[in-house]
Amino acid sequence: AQSVTQLDSHVSVSEGTPVLLRCNYSSSYSPSLFWYVQHPNKGLQLLLKYTSAATLVKGINGFEAEFKKSETSFHLTKPSAHMSDAAEYFCVVSEGTDKLIFGTGTRLQVFP
Amino acid sequence: EAQVTQNPRYLITVTGKKLTVTCSQNMNHEYMSWYRQDPGLGLRQIYYSMNVEVTDKGDVPEGYKVSRKEKRNFPLILESPSPNQTSLYFCASSPPWAVNQETQYFGPGTRLLVL
Repeated sequence: AQSVTQLDSHVSVSEGTPVLLRCNYSSSYSPSLFWYVQHPNKGLQLLLKYTSAATLVKGINGFEAEFKKSETSFHLTKPSAHMSDAAEYFCVVSEGTDKLIFGTGTRLQVFP
Repeated sequence: EAQVTQNPRYLITVTGKKLTVTCSQNMNHEYMSWYRQDPGLGLRQIYYSMNVEVTDKGDVPEGYKVSRKEKRNFPLILESPSPNQTSLYFCASSPPWAVNQETQYFGPGTRLLVL
């Protein structure tokens, strides 16, 4: 069965410093992996997705994630945080089915 | 503009009073889905539909019904709402092929409070 674990429920960084949001997945087959972002009182927006092409995936707003099969990880990173990055981030896995499995979310706070 | 719309956006109701949350998409997508979002639990799928007249249960279907009489609409029905259905609900849609590899487009959410 597929599952996804977001290792941190909250992450706080200062503006201009790197961001790391951690995600580990469990999957029997080759998964597809996504990161979605949810800004306060907004819907979900796709940041990036991995679908068995390049293992380093670049997304919008300067975010990227690296698929590491040996570590079953798909961590989200950004070199320099901006105040507008403050939001909740969801790691999502799908295994060739109709269903997306969401992690429990990581709330990112960015301090000036 | 390609979008998924939900109505109402906010709703306060009382236990047992039937309600319907509408969802509509203008992208001619075959696949539509409902999720609920609760603190610390992420998003959990309630029901999904692969096409008109084809619906199936997700992970948390109890207390909900859906219908898919036309491609663009996928209403969520709570026949007898209870306080544990207080949540934030999202509708999503996507093309039918390899749903997992295509972007699911999400609606803005409906915040429901059941007293």
